[in-house]
Amino acid sequence: GESVGLHLPTLSVQEGDNSIINCAYSNSASDYFIWYKQESGKGPQFIIDIRSNMDKRQGQRVTVLLNKTVKHLSLQIAATQPGDSAVYFCAETPDSSYKLIFGSGTRLLVRP
Amino acid sequence: GAGVSQSPSNKVTEKGKDVELRCDPISGHTALYWYRQSLGQGLEFLIYFQGNSAPDKSGLPSDRFSAERTGGSVSTLTIQRTQQEDSAVYLCASSPGLANNEQFFGPGTRLTVL
Repeated sequence: GESVGLHLPTLSVQEGDNSIINCAYSNSASDYFIWYKQESGKGPQFIIDIRSNMDKRQGQRVTVLLNKTVKHLSLQIAATQPGDSAVYFCAETPDSSYKLIFGSGTRLLVRP
Repeated sequence: GAGVSQSPSNKVTEKGKDVELRCDPISGHTALYWYRQSLGQGLEFLIYFQGNSAPDKSGLPSDRFSAERTGGSVSTLTIQRTQQEDSAVYLCASSPGLANNEQFFGPGTRLTVL
């Protein structure tokens, strides 16, 4: 069936380093992808999105890369800070629908 | 402006009891979603409301689960005869209503069924 998954359940990085969180998706018809950040005890918070007609999109300290050939999505965080510690989810929207299919999440730990 | 709010923030109930979870979406958002998040897992879609259209209930796990949205605003998720496997965080989100629009999430209700 359709699925969105992550390669690494936990990522530990040194403060100031760059972080890369990866995500694989299986539905080639998906045309919209979102990264969410979820801190403990809170709901997911939108970070950045990308549509399938793009392969890269940049925000403030974050970049999302989309490789449709291998159905891979990544989130890059520059100069990782302690406040970036959270669980990060990728989500896809198949066929321009309203539903989001979430991956299982990657926990990012930032070492001081 | 205010974001999505949910109440209660925590709910502990006994197996077999009914519970009601409330969601207040962002004012003006026509789309409302309910998700369930089990410990350490991703979000599982439950139900979707869009304006006055019939809701998409395809994600509800059993007929013990139901939801309604009154007046196109506040939504209530009801779980009847709760079971221990219903224990999870129930998240509500709203969006302006267009496809592929950003969904804004509430803080969730943590449900524990003893």
